Amino acid sequence: SAVISQKPSRDICQRGTSLTIQCQVDSQVTMMFWYRQQPGQSLTLIATANQGSEATYESGFVIDKFPISRPNLTFSTLTVSNMSPEDSSIYLCSVALGSGNTIYFGEGSWLTVV
Amino acid sequence: AQSVTQPDIHITVSEGASLELRCNYSYGATPYLFWYVQSPGQGLQLLLKYFSGDTLVQGIKGFEAEFKRSQSSFNLRKPSVHWSDAAEYFCAVSPYHDYKLSFGAGTTVTVRA
Repeated sequence: SAVISQKPSRDICQRGTSLTIQCQVDSQVTMMFWYRQQPGQSLTLIATANQGSEATYESGFVIDKFPISRPNLTFSTLTVSNMSPEDSSIYLCSVALGSGNTIYFGEGSWLTVV
Repeated sequence: AQSVTQPDIHITVSEGASLELRCNYSYGATPYLFWYVQSPGQGLQLLLKYFSGDTLVQGIKGFEAEFKRSQSSFNLRKPSVHWSDAAEYFCAVSPYHDYKLSFGAGTTVTVRA
């Protein structure tokens, strides 16, 4: 299995500011993924972060709003820019690892924008 | 594109009773199928997964799921629920070797004493 650590675990932010979420994995992985879970909703894929290339964003998500870095095979960051209350969500990091490429999730970063 | 339907938004079950959560998927080829559980205030924990082979998959915490290609279903079952099984359950599908998950809306399970 994989141990995926996310920081911060929770934060309360002022609207108009930006916050960077970190994701650290205890193994080297090729692909990392970022998901958003809005209150009371299911999870939606934001983007795929591959080391050495630009992140690939899903429909409805843009790089200016959610810039992503992937400096090495065990770490990634997601920035939520110019936040509004609608950005209040849980942001989760995910990796595919191990036999059968099981997909694991971090504990999530719970973000509240006021 | 793939999609997942979880028809039951909320299920209430008595402790010790059996539980079945429904999941239907739409995908043209062989999918990767997953069930995750999210307890209040927690992240996602993988219960089980299906890639190929035996269509009855055993997972953690006494859960199992059966893949039925003819019905495009991957229902989750547990013979006897415990109060600690109260949580949100998500079914998810990924294309083969893609690892981008599409999630169902989730089913909230309440366990009554």
